[in-house]
Amino acid sequence: GESVGLHLPTLSVQEGDNSIINCAYSNSASDYFIWYKQESGKGPQFIIDIRSNMDKRQGQRVTVLLNKTVKHLSLQIAATQPGDSAVYFCAEKGDTGKLIFGQGTTLQVKP
Amino acid sequence: EPEVTQTPSHQVTQMGQEVILRCVPISNHLYFYWYRQILGQKVEFLVSFYNNEISEKSEIFDDQFSVERPDGSNFTLKIRSTKLEDSAMYFCASSPSQTRNTEAFFGQGTRLTVV
Repeated sequence: GESVGLHLPTLSVQEGDNSIINCAYSNSASDYFIWYKQESGKGPQFIIDIRSNMDKRQGQRVTVLLNKTVKHLSLQIAATQPGDSAVYFCAEKGDTGKLIFGQGTTLQVKP
Repeated sequence: EPEVTQTPSHQVTQMGQEVILRCVPISNHLYFYWYRQILGQKVEFLVSFYNNEISEKSEIFDDQFSVERPDGSNFTLKIRSTKLEDSAMYFCASSPSQTRNTEAFFGQGTRLTVV
């Protein structure tokens, strides 16, 4: 069934600090995950993805970690900037291309 | 940079009325999707569309909903008789492929308010 969720609805961090946003999933067969960023009034924007045969994937200032043992993934944002303020969703992509989104974490960056 | 465009940005309609939400996917994409997001909640899958037919639909996508690709560029979502609980943001997305490592691009959304 639908299985993707996030731990915290809101995360507040100081500008320049690192942010960690968490997501738990329940379907052990899930094998592809994506993090999306949604700014106010906009649609979800792809940030980074990871397949289940990987533990870690890095992008520009972002890192996704996948722990299949506990069915948990996280998004780490280095040196968080005001422009990072948004709602972050993890999502699972199924065989047909549909995305199953988690609840979302609102990241607030304090100057 | 190519983008998915949606119109209108905001639609207010009376309960029981029909609405059509419009989307222009990215031109070389083949897979099209509608999602909705009730205020403060997660984004929910409604329907996927490929080769002029629905490939998958969710429980939300009941007989009141329909999708159409009337020409080579538009992709529409119709709600025949709107209910108050249909109030939400509706997002269109398109993708060149349905494979896992292919990004889906989202439009800015249409905010539907049913009064």
